[in-house]
Amino acid sequence: NAGVTQTPKFQVLKTGQSMTLQCAQDMNHEYMSWYRQDPGMGLRLIHYSVGAGITDQGEVPNGYNVSRSTTEDFPLRLLSAAPSQTSVYFCASGPGRGEKLFFGSGTQLSVL
Amino acid sequence: KQEVTQIPAALSVPEGENLVLNCSFTDSAIYNLQWFRQDPGKGLTSLLLIQSSQREQTSGRLNASLDKSSGRSTLYIAASQPGDSATYLCAVIGDYKLSFGAGTTVTVRA
Repeated sequence: NAGVTQTPKFQVLKTGQSMTLQCAQDMNHEYMSWYRQDPGMGLRLIHYSVGAGITDQGEVPNGYNVSRSTTEDFPLRLLSAAPSQTSVYFCASGPGRGEKLFFGSGTQLSVL
Repeated sequence: KQEVTQIPAALSVPEGENLVLNCSFTDSAIYNLQWFRQDPGKGLTSLLLIQSSQREQTSGRLNASLDKSSGRSTLYIAASQPGDSATYLCAVIGDYKLSFGAGTTVTVRA
């Protein structure tokens, strides 16, 4: 059972480049979300989804887009990367409202 | 907006000592509270989930308490070992969103 899988594990971008961080889960969870982790600030919610076709903004959504076309996948898109987006990104999924969350292993992104 | 605070930010103890990690939150309207462990450069490992109707939850050497009315949770780790060295995060679960504290980094000295 793979759980939550994130790719890539590491990525370096130049300012202005675009890219997509991939997240897939095989637990049939309805809820999926993206967090970023910065030193001394804890994890902050970027976007989340409560089912296929349904997404909503979290605490820090600016500069990021998401879509949820299937239950399994929840990609995070950076349309024009900025140095302020240098961070570690985590994808998480859960069975429903208020339930335990399961996290992927993270993507370390550097924007130069 | 839910604010979650973890004190202290760092803790160093000799092996065998019991650990007490504190978490406080500002809004008591929560679903659950989850404690995680994070090793350097790694993802988050779930330790315990306390439902809002519970007062405490135990797993092996770990015990977590929850007092919703005062906005506090405490994670106790008994008889600490060097392998317990990590950052411990608490997360308050409100509806579909988690609010995280910045974590307590624990070092257990052999």
